[in-house]
Amino acid sequence: DAGVIQSPRHEVTEMGQEVTLRCKPISGHNSLFWYRQTMMRGLELLIYFNNNVPIDDSGMPEDRFSAKMPNASFSTLKIQPSEPRDSAVYFCASSIRMTYGYTFGSGTRLTVV
Amino acid sequence: GEDVEQSLFLSVREGDSSVINCTYTDSSSTYLYWYKQEPGAGLQLLTYIFSNMDMKQDQRLTVLLNKKDKHLSLRIADTQTGDSAIYFCAESYGGSQGNLIFGKGTKLSVKP
Repeated sequence: DAGVIQSPRHEVTEMGQEVTLRCKPISGHNSLFWYRQTMMRGLELLIYFNNNVPIDDSGMPEDRFSAKMPNASFSTLKIQPSEPRDSAVYFCASSIRMTYGYTFGSGTRLTVV
Repeated sequence: GEDVEQSLFLSVREGDSSVINCTYTDSSSTYLYWYKQEPGAGLQLLTYIFSNMDMKQDQRLTVLLNKKDKHLSLRIADTQTGDSAIYFCAESYGGSQGNLIFGKGTKLSVKP
């Protein structure tokens, strides 16, 4: 099992550009979570899906952020337009049952200049 | 709302025991978790405890839960330099389809 796979590992982009982060959850996991980690705010839940359906997106900072899960094996988090304050590490995690906690990907370090 | 509090830093000497503490607010939390994050990596699940348990031991790790005080601790025996990392406490809420609330993490530094 390759675990949760995120791409790219690092992304540097200019302010105003569109950024797309990708995630492949573990096969068979039915919940997928997007988190953002910064020094100031720690780990913040942005959105989570259950069986490909968005359940709670109250953590999405603003309309510039959107997430999709077109099928059970793929999700994207898009920021358009990006701003310097979006610079952070973005993690994707998946789970099958709450008992077992989440499995996290290695993260995407986003830098917006 | 739900909140999880941890101290930010802990420094110990190699071979000593480390105790990382956490307080949480949701008394209906079913599970409580400890995660470890090494530099440049994602969070890795270390252990979890069900809310009807007081203690769970797994090799060098001991988790203690005081449900009355909503206090969770992680003890690492014989701490090694490889244990240096950030440790996150998390509580579940919202039932089986709920999500986890994470603390801000405790950075453990192990000095040789």
